[in-house]
Amino acid sequence: GDSVTQMEGPVTLSEEAFLTINCTYTATGYPSLFWYVQYPGEGLQLLLKATKADDKGSNKGFEATYRKETTSFHLEKGSVQVSDSAVYFCALPSHTGGFKTIFGAGTRLFVKA
Amino acid sequence: NAGVTQTPKFRVLKTGQSMTLLCAQDMNHEYMYWYRQDPGMGLRLIHYSVGEGTTAKGEVPDGYNVSRLKKQNFLLGLESAAPSQTSVYFCASRTGQGRTEAFFGQGTRLTVV
Repeated sequence: GDSVTQMEGPVTLSEEAFLTINCTYTATGYPSLFWYVQYPGEGLQLLLKATKADDKGSNKGFEATYRKETTSFHLEKGSVQVSDSAVYFCALPSHTGGFKTIFGAGTRLFVKA
Repeated sequence: NAGVTQTPKFRVLKTGQSMTLLCAQDMNHEYMYWYRQDPGMGLRLIHYSVGEGTTAKGEVPDGYNVSRLKKQNFLLGLESAAPSQTSVYFCASRTGQGRTEAFFGQGTRLTVV
């Protein structure tokens, strides 16, 4: 079945450091891929998405490229800020169950000033 | 642009009490979902609906009921609350067109004592 595996956290970085959060997936067909972000005490917001192979999604300085050959969708940011502290979820829409969203376990990021 | 709105945002129940969580979306989406989020368990699907008048079970449906009498609303009911139902509940919606992203509400934090 469809699944998402992402690196476990927490990840602690200093401000302006480079961020990578790894995500790999197993899926039937070629679904869109998503990164969601959850700030403390809030709901999930779509951070970025890619709809087909080799697409690059980007938003707020974050980027992720849909790699079909490695079944990966790693999240990167060149220079993190304290305000980026949050939990990040890699996700894809399942082909069953009403196209429910399949989430990775989430990676908590702490950015120190 | 309200998006997905959940009511209430916080609630404390005593064991055995009942309550209904309301989810409303103003995007004319066909699909709606209820998830629960627990530490170490990630997001788990409780029930979902693929259109007005339809409902289906997700991964953890026991102890919950749902109804979708109107396209824009999806209600989650707890008939007899138990401490194991202490969680943060998220509603989500998406279009019926392909495997697209879901939009999430801000969550309802429920504590059962």
